[in-house]
Amino acid sequence: ETGVTQTPRHLVMGMTNKKSLKCEQHLGHNAMYWYKQSAKKPLELMFVYSLEERVENNSVPSRFSPECPNSSHLFLHLHTLQPEDSALYLCASSQEADRDTYPYEQYFGPGTRLTVT
Amino acid sequence: AQKVTQAQTEISVVEKEDVTLDCVYETRDTTYYLFWYKQPPSGELVFLIRRNSFDEQNEISGRYSWNFQKSTSSFNFTITASQVVDSAVYFCALSDIYSGAGSYQLTFGKGTKLSVIP
Repeated sequence: ETGVTQTPRHLVMGMTNKKSLKCEQHLGHNAMYWYKQSAKKPLELMFVYSLEERVENNSVPSRFSPECPNSSHLFLHLHTLQPEDSALYLCASSQEADRDTYPYEQYFGPGTRLTVT
Repeated sequence: AQKVTQAQTEISVVEKEDVTLDCVYETRDTTYYLFWYKQPPSGELVFLIRRNSFDEQNEISGRYSWNFQKSTSSFNFTITASQVVDSAVYFCALSDIYSGAGSYQLTFGKGTKLSVIP
């Protein structure tokens, strides 16, 4: 298996459901990301994880909860979502940068198309 | 604040035509990085190029070329002799601030959807 994989590829859930999105990378990277892609909006970074830190976009509602058990796996736990949360959720990974390096290119998975009914 | 503008929402060209995708950016930093990504219908974004603000040389990779002009804050992308497989959404992005967790803040434009008609 290569690159970045995401499961499921499609998910339909009601507003009271709880579900999780899974991402796995096979590239030996140390940083992983969750993005939200809504129609006619720029990609929105939700969370970043590296070995030591987590950074989150303060505008992300608490109904989205990330988990990164190791450098290869990333989860996004969803609960009591709203219809406006329907979007394509993309996972990405990259080498871990620091202040003395340049930003590394990110490798993306194919995304999970989420529909909240 | 950082901003990336891709004014062309959708472009259609006939196969073998050349096409240029525009990207204009705003940043207060003197050191920054510009990216182009391609998103085919399969969904995953594919990295195409990274360019730092100190390197204004234009770059060519096969049918792809990039024109970086700091004077106009633009980083345009040209596809020569377009092919149907080039049909995708193309995103320009700007990165300038280290934001922690091994990452730099990456600001994306809204993307340009390119359709290449056979």
